Amino acid sequence: QIVLTQSPAIMSASLGEEITLTCSASSSVSYMHWYQQKSGTSPKLLIYSTSNLASGVPSRFSGSGSGTFYSLTISSVEAEDAADYYCHQWSSYPTFGGGTKLEIK
Amino acid sequence: EVKLVESGGGLVKPGGSLKLSCAASGFTFSSYAMSWVRQTPEKRLEWVASISSGGSTYYPDSVKGRFTISRDNARNILYLQMSSLRSEDTAMYYCARGYYYFDVWGAGTTVTVSS
Repeated sequence: QIVLTQSPAIMSASLGEEITLTCSASSSVSYMHWYQQKSGTSPKLLIYSTSNLASGVPSRFSGSGSGTFYSLTISSVEAEDAADYYCHQWSSYPTFGGGTKLEIK
Repeated sequence: EVKLVESGGGLVKPGGSLKLSCAASGFTFSSYAMSWVRQTPEKRLEWVASISSGGSTYYPDSVKGRFTISRDNARNILYLQMSSLRSEDTAMYYCARGYYYFDVWGAGTTVTVSS
């Protein structure tokens, strides 16, 4: 199965800062999906098929990448973005990354 | 409003069985693949099972032969029958819409396997 490694494990960002979370795959994958999970809630689809914004997701979120390296960028961090972020691939067998915790300074 | 509501979780002894349900509303349930995804106490997300709109089923090796996913399209309900439960099956179990990615999630139901 394909292992997804997310970095950093914890990120601390200031309001208005641009940040990038990364997800590295142990083998090449066709697409990457991203989820946001706020404390005490279920995961929410953020980005699907690498770069497509899910319904209702603010445009400050964007995704990119190919092969074994993918990233999620928040152009201007807001307080409500504090959450855990997970990448997910489905090539032959669905797997998730271990997550990045985003803290707001 | 698109909604998924899980039920059936609880405390079960190792080797025991449990059946989870997921009631779907707000969309044409029969047209969508559906899945179960669990989140361990360490917050790791794991795919558990998927079923296509046509009824084909898919499982990871970790639950194959122990878990069975099924659906009742007339009642808009997704099921997960779990047997031979192990301590490592302890998790929050989420019902999710989709197969290649999961665009709607329920609030989850907790399964604890402990003696």
